[in-house]
Amino acid sequence: EDQVTQSPEALRLQEGESSSLNCSYTVSGLRGLFWYRQDPGKGPEFLFTLYSAGEEKEKERLKATLTKKESFLHITAPKPEDSATYLCAVQAAGAGSYQLTFGKGTKLSVIP
Amino acid sequence: DTGVSQDPRHKITKRGQNVTFRCDPISEHNRLYWYRQTLGQGPEFLTYFQNEAQLEKSRLLSDRFSAERPKGSFSTLEIQRTEQGDSAMYLCASSFGDSPLHFGNGTRLTVT
Repeated sequence: EDQVTQSPEALRLQEGESSSLNCSYTVSGLRGLFWYRQDPGKGPEFLFTLYSAGEEKEKERLKATLTKKESFLHITAPKPEDSATYLCAVQAAGAGSYQLTFGKGTKLSVIP
Repeated sequence: DTGVSQDPRHKITKRGQNVTFRCDPISEHNRLYWYRQTLGQGPEFLTYFQNEAQLEKSRLLSDRFSAERPKGSFSTLEIQRTEQGDSAMYLCASSFGDSPLHFGNGTRLTVT
């Protein structure tokens, strides 16, 4: 059974204080690993897809990296508007497998 | 691109009643997904459509749940004889082929 564990559950940062969120996964062959951002009362918003170990993607203050067992979301010099819950999800390889398995998320609060 | 639209945004119902939710995907997207999210958890996969065909269903989808996507356009999710444990956010997402999922802002169901 595919599993995704995210840590920490919650993270409070001062504005400008860089940090990383962790996503550990077990999956029977990885088709893709996804990062989403979710604001309260809204649906998840797509950030990145990573497909193979060593791959990196960047967008503004966010950078996602992937190894064979985990992914990191690095946040550089965060701003209060980066406050949200960040969700990690995996999609297993294999014919006919389209579902994503999500972790519980990391709730990030950036204090001015 | 008007995004994925879900209706209603909120639904309060009494235990034992039937409810139906609607999802309008992004117009050119051929794949549609339903997920359920409870407080403090990540979204959990319920079911998946490619065009009008329902191709994958989770074990979470008991026989009280039914989903349809007539003509491969909008989709409905019906819950019969609601139970308090059905209280959750019901999220719809769509994609074109293997592109990342785009989520709507969900329907929040409260069963009293």
